[in-house]
Amino acid sequence: DQQVKQNSPSLSVQEGRISILNCDYTNSMFDYFLWYKKYPAEGPTFLISISSIKDKNEDGRFTVFLNKSAKHLSLHIVPSQPGDSAVYFCAVTSQGGSEKLVFGKGTKLTVNP
Amino acid sequence: SAVISQKPSRDICQRGTSLTIQCQVDSQVTMMFWYRQQPGQSLTLIATANQGSEATYESGFVIDKFPISRPNLTFSTLTVSNMSPEDSSIYLCSGGGRYGYTFGSGTRLTVV
Repeated sequence: DQQVKQNSPSLSVQEGRISILNCDYTNSMFDYFLWYKKYPAEGPTFLISISSIKDKNEDGRFTVFLNKSAKHLSLHIVPSQPGDSAVYFCAVTSQGGSEKLVFGKGTKLTVNP
Repeated sequence: SAVISQKPSRDICQRGTSLTIQCQVDSQVTMMFWYRQQPGQSLTLIATANQGSEATYESGFVIDKFPISRPNLTFSTLTVSNMSPEDSSIYLCSGGGRYGYTFGSGTRLTVV
């Protein structure tokens, strides 16, 4: 029973265009949402996060949008760069819980020059 | 944010043997976790490493198979015991607090 779903295993975009990565979750008790980026042979690197009290958080080229009613979040990368090519994981934490993260399966983003 | 050094980065082990993976954090962190990432899968939480007490294991993971130590707030080990080829995976440690988790670089384990 997947609590966090990233339904697109891969995404390919052209350099300079927007990349949109999507994530759906099932439990309305989740209240903090994170995106991690992972290069091969490296551990995941924290990218950006959003609390359930917000619907948007922006950091440079990266913006995360949260739609609580739809239990959906997305990561927008604008403009996309070849160095953004990596696997992106969506992660969530539960309200008042032990602060452990639940991860999606990841989306492999390829940005073509 | 904290920096985590994890070792070994990779190993090839014989079935039936055990491997201990170490994680050292450059600062004290509240929480430390151990994850497994099997090919094509997401990161699956094995357990929460509790400082000075027994780890808290997730469903499907047991202490006899994955003993964990956390003697202080900057160090933890995970042992994969009596290994079988099904244990071949990437193992990752993570540390930090709710608003910032850092990961080690991972240990790629192959059991032959």
